[in-house]
Amino acid sequence: DAGVIQSPRHEVTEMGQEVTLRCKPISGHNSLFWYRQTMMRGLELLIYFNNNVPIDDSGMPEDRFSAKMPNASFSTLKIQPSEPRDSAVYFCASRGQSLSGNTIYFGEGSWLTVV
Amino acid sequence: EDQVTQSPEALRLQEGESSSLNCSYTVSGLRGLFWYRQDPGKGPEFLFTLYSAGEEKEKERLKATLTKKESFLHITAPKPEDSATYLCAVPTSGGYQKVTFGIGTKLQVIP
Repeated sequence: DAGVIQSPRHEVTEMGQEVTLRCKPISGHNSLFWYRQTMMRGLELLIYFNNNVPIDDSGMPEDRFSAKMPNASFSTLKIQPSEPRDSAVYFCASRGQSLSGNTIYFGEGSWLTVV
Repeated sequence: EDQVTQSPEALRLQEGESSSLNCSYTVSGLRGLFWYRQDPGKGPEFLFTLYSAGEEKEKERLKATLTKKESFLHITAPKPEDSATYLCAVPTSGGYQKVTFGIGTKLQVIP
């Protein structure tokens, strides 16, 4: 079975440019999470969706960050404009219905460097 | 405020030298505790879920235990391939929707 698929795996961009990260959750999972990981702060939850609806975006650091989930098999995290402090690894994760377990499964991450 | 704290931040062991990693938490009404393993350049990989104090789970050289205030990940006779960062996490809202992770313990096992 395919796991959570993220793209791009690596991105280097200049400050001020728009960055779009993409995620395909595991088929059948109804919850999707975006996390950011840095050495200093570890894994931080940015936003999560349940049945394609954003439930809690309190972790989104600024208005420069936005996330969408137009359907059950696709989500995007957008940063516009990007800044050097946004450099981090961004993980997408998904989880199935509670009756099938509460385990969150992660993608391989998108490594973002803003110069 | 709900918190998850892991210790130590880093641990270096000789191959075969058993030890334990700690995860302490302060949440109201524990709804489970998760352990993950993360290899460099990879996403976290699920290991265990513990739901109640006294529960234990094992996988190869790893055993996770849970009390009302903390969890331990015991590593028995570790091998170099056990080197990784180990993360614990707990749901911190009313339900399993919002999961908060500790900063992790980076384990290095030396041959």
